Amino acid sequence: EAGVVQSPRYKIIEKKQPVAFWCNPISGHNTLYWYRQNLGQGPELLIRYENEEAVDDSQLPKDRFSAERLKGVDSTLKIQPAELGDSAVYLCASSFLANYGYTFGSGTRLTVV
Amino acid sequence: GDSVTQMEGPVTLSEEAFLTINCTYTATGYPSLFWYVQYPGEGLQLLLKATKADDKGSNKGFEATYRKETTSFHLEKGSVQVSDSAVYFCALRLMDTGRRALTFGSGTRLQVQP
Repeated sequence: EAGVVQSPRYKIIEKKQPVAFWCNPISGHNTLYWYRQNLGQGPELLIRYENEEAVDDSQLPKDRFSAERLKGVDSTLKIQPAELGDSAVYLCASSFLANYGYTFGSGTRLTVV
Repeated sequence: GDSVTQMEGPVTLSEEAFLTINCTYTATGYPSLFWYVQYPGEGLQLLLKATKADDKGSNKGFEATYRKETTSFHLEKGSVQVSDSAVYFCALRLMDTGRRALTFGSGTRLQVQP
């Protein structure tokens, strides 16, 4: 089966510009996670979806970040406007249920200049 | 809050050397514990896990034992290979809370030299 697919793999933008990341989870996985991984650090949760509902978004900076998961399948994470400090790898993961194991995508490396 | 502390890297070893990467945790409940590995340019992959005290997780020659009394989950391998060079992340997950997301340590880079 295909794994968790993320695009793009790399993105370079100027500060104050918008950017969006896309994630296609494993078929049948109803739980989807977005993590941010700063250089030299472990991933930190941004938001967790169960189906189309965001059930944990307490760590999402809502002034500039937004996410959606239409129809409980694909998800998009958006930043508008981007800041220099947003440079990081954005990881998507999915699982069959919240208590099951995760599968991570390869991530999108964002550089804000 | 919940947290995971790992030994800082990089850890540099010669091939066939013994590996230990220390991991300790702080949690409000009874977590499940995990080791993930990240090879260059790839996503995180689950290496092993343990769900209760005294459980031993093992995979690909790596082992870790869930020690509740010392709140530790150290990763070990008896003989490392060059192909083991990667970043290793210790993580915990509380299953009995609404959060249920993984909390990661900062990672330890392992470099194995031939």
